[in-house]
Amino acid sequence: QKEVEQDPGPLSVPEGAIVSLNCTYSNSAFQYFMWYRQYSRKGPELLMYTYSSGNKEDGRFTAQVDKSSKYISLFIRDSQPSDSATYLCAMVPLMDSNYQLIWGAGTKLIIKP
Amino acid sequence: DSGVTQTPKHLITATGQRVTLRCSPRSGDLSVYWYQQSLDQGLQFLIQYYNGEERAKGNILERFSAQQFPDLHSELNLSSLELGDSALYFCASSESGGEDTQYFGPGTRLTVL
Repeated sequence: QKEVEQDPGPLSVPEGAIVSLNCTYSNSAFQYFMWYRQYSRKGPELLMYTYSSGNKEDGRFTAQVDKSSKYISLFIRDSQPSDSATYLCAMVPLMDSNYQLIWGAGTKLIIKP
Repeated sequence: DSGVTQTPKHLITATGQRVTLRCSPRSGDLSVYWYQQSLDQGLQFLIQYYNGEERAKGNILERFSAQQFPDLHSELNLSSLELGDSALYFCASSESGGEDTQYFGPGTRLTVL
């Protein structure tokens, strides 16, 4: 079993829909949670960064962390065709000084005009 | 533009050959990371350097090696190339090499024929 599980999709939704992207994890030591967006053949770029449980909002994006369920989500409101990309979750365990990102496989999102 | 530069953008070579990929981190970043991304494997962490010293190793093959120079640029050397080494290779940098944000370069696409 992988430490971080993420459905690879593709997830196809109509423009304007609310998108929900999710990752589950098995290591309770994870404390930092990130969502990266990757356009085709480009490098990933950081979208959201959260520490521990709770919600964080940034424009149309909301990141949610539920540590009790070991589950994180990224919500995209009013989705646009330009949101079509692969979304990767990443996590960092709080242990010693080796802050290595553990990555999900990425979910390919397609927003249909 | 993340501020991380990678050269070359594309590389086509034959099996058994050796190549060198180069990365310049963002100004002020001390840590460099190398990742491999292939279609069926997702983003795989290879190795991390911090201020010239190796800090962490991931799934890096013995045929691969890396180093970070005094000016903080880094090189990833891939030798005895196999067809399966064809992938996108990303470099990322961060300020401290801890849980801080990693900024990704545009990647080098390696094709081994």
